[in-house]
Amino acid sequence: GENVEQHPSTLSVQEGDSAVIKCTYSDSASNYFPWYKQELGKGPQLIIDIRSNVGEKKDQRIAVTLNKTAKHFSLHITETQPEDSAVYFCAASIPKIYNQGGKLIFGQGTELSVKP
Amino acid sequence: NAGVTQTPKFRVLKTGQSMTLLCAQDMNHEYMYWYRQDPGMGLRLIHYSVGEGTTAKGEVPDGYNVSRLKKQNFLLGLESAAPSQTSVYFCASASSSILIRDSLFRPQHFGDGTRLSIL
Repeated sequence: GENVEQHPSTLSVQEGDSAVIKCTYSDSASNYFPWYKQELGKGPQLIIDIRSNVGEKKDQRIAVTLNKTAKHFSLHITETQPEDSAVYFCAASIPKIYNQGGKLIFGQGTELSVKP
Repeated sequence: NAGVTQTPKFRVLKTGQSMTLLCAQDMNHEYMYWYRQDPGMGLRLIHYSVGEGTTAKGEVPDGYNVSRLKKQNFLLGLESAAPSQTSVYFCASASSSILIRDSLFRPQHFGDGTRLSIL
């Protein structure tokens, strides 16, 4: 079945350094890739997303890249700050479920810790 | 803005008991979802609904039932709770109004979760 693999499961960086989280998806027809940030005791919040017709997207310190050939996409956070500490989830849409609500398959999550 | 509200936030049950988790959204979204989150496994889709009166199974539907009697509410029921259902449950909603080319995808908005423990 459809699967999304996310690595690493934990990541610790010093404040100001960059952090990179990588995901690989199995269904080559997937065409939408959102990233969610989950803070302790809260639900996931969408921070950035990318469509399959775009190779890269940036929003201030956050960027996402997509390699459709290799079926992987990555989240890049530059100039990390302590408030970036959270669990990050990648996801991929399953377009075969057309007209059924945009079903997402999530990665396992990455716990990012930014040390001051 | 309330967004997606889940009740209760915490609950402890005994094996075999039943309960209902309530999800309410005030964004007039057509689509609603129930997920469970377990350590190391991300979020897994239990059931979802594409509109009032309709529901469908997700990846892990066994042991759960759902109902969508009103557009703004999506209920998740456990008829006979089991320890394996100890988890954090998240509800999400999404609009149907976003259409990009010939595929449909919609950002999902999540509630803050219900932490359920079954002894």
